[in-house]
Amino acid sequence: ETGVTQSPTHLIKTRGQQVTLRCSSQSGHNTVSWYQQALGQGPQFIFQYYREEENGRGNFPPRFSGLQFPNYSSELNVNALELDDSALYLCASSVKTDENTEAFFGQGTRLTVV
Amino acid sequence: AQKITQTQPGMFVQEKEAVTLDCTYDTSDPSYGLFWYKQPSSGEMIFLIYQGSYDQQNATEGRYSLNFQKARKSANLVISASQLGDSAMYFCAMRQNFGNEKLTFGTGTRLTIIP
Repeated sequence: ETGVTQSPTHLIKTRGQQVTLRCSSQSGHNTVSWYQQALGQGPQFIFQYYREEENGRGNFPPRFSGLQFPNYSSELNVNALELDDSALYLCASSVKTDENTEAFFGQGTRLTVV
Repeated sequence: AQKITQTQPGMFVQEKEAVTLDCTYDTSDPSYGLFWYKQPSSGEMIFLIYQGSYDQQNATEGRYSLNFQKARKSANLVISASQLGDSAMYFCAMRQNFGNEKLTFGTGTRLTIIP
């Protein structure tokens, strides 16, 4: 158990719809990152939030957006869903310091776009 | 830009044998960290081991050890005395120091332990 929980665990949406995925970070962690993992691939960095501000973004279009709340929980929103958005979405929480620290991952949300 | 290469898409190993999973990396950053994660079919990424670029000794965590060869830019994972529960996907990842917490992952190796 990492203390990071994601909801829902599975989701089916129709192309063009919007979806919100949620992540509850481990207690005391002020940084959350979101990753997209397509079938048979490694996770790809979407973006990161640190103390409610975006702190880095990967090569994803603006229809991927996020929020981090004062309690450090987080949301990933995807608008105008496309078939290629079907993937496992992982969130990871950590404590931002000057040195590398372990990131704790949730179990992921499997999104299927039909 | 950082890049992780895992050249073994799949490996089959007899139970109780040792196995080495390969990982090479490329970065221009002088300070970075290397990670290995295990991903069972349930999807969760489970942290296994971490190696800092300035660490003089190879990292070890129980049955896991990291064979870090900085000059070769390799960070192979060694699992000793493999168990059936070790069957999973294994990902090597890198993160630069003093930047954001972004992890760059390889494409993974599917390890299957044979009874």
